[in-house]
Amino acid sequence: AQTVTQSQPEMSVQEAETVTLSCTYDTSESDYYLFWYKQPPSRQMILVIRQEAYKQQNATENRFSVNFQKAAKSFSLKISDSQLGDAAMYFCACAAISNFGNEKLTFGTGTRLTIIP
Amino acid sequence: NAGVTQTPKFRILKIGQSMTLQCTQDMNHNYMYWYRQDPGMGLKLIYYSVGAGITDKGEVPNGYNVSRSTTEDFPLRLELAAPSQTSVYFCASSATPGTPTFYSGANVLTFGAGSRLTVL
Repeated sequence: AQTVTQSQPEMSVQEAETVTLSCTYDTSESDYYLFWYKQPPSRQMILVIRQEAYKQQNATENRFSVNFQKAAKSFSLKISDSQLGDAAMYFCACAAISNFGNEKLTFGTGTRLTIIP
Repeated sequence: NAGVTQTPKFRILKIGQSMTLQCTQDMNHNYMYWYRQDPGMGLKLIYYSVGAGITDKGEVPNGYNVSRSTTEDFPLRLELAAPSQTSVYFCASSATPGTPTFYSGANVLTFGAGSRLTVL
């Protein structure tokens, strides 16, 4: 079993500034992957970034980067140069790969990000 | 366009009615999932399937049934609808977790657009 916790229900940031969304997780598996998904008002779930747990290097995708602290089981998302289009609900998720290969994503409760013009 | 298609997008049910949410994908994914998202909450797994003929319960399976007769289709049936089932339902699909294909695509888990269900 695994759990994902997002302790910030809402965050806001000034346009062009940087914001960090927090996420902690717990899993008993040694092989797992972490993700950040974005859900805009359209409700579609969009993958923002992913991190393989066995990789020490933090993943980056353009303005999005993560701070992966494996020992602390922490996986925060940093959004640089925030844009109005970044306004959305952000979900952290964990997929642990067991020997059975049939694990599935577990989601946090989400952080609603507001961009202030 | 390839992806996950859910129908209907909106539905209002009366207590005790039954209905089926349809989900189909054209990416030849083995894994398919049904999630529900309650207002202000994250997604909770209802059922999932690892291939045709194989289904298993997720976190919140009570009140729902699924079947997987083909790789493409994974319908979710609500029997005796209750107000507690008012939610947004998402179908999703993926390649088999842990395989290279699973992580090679732009989207690890491809979601449908969601179906908003209200039970009155």
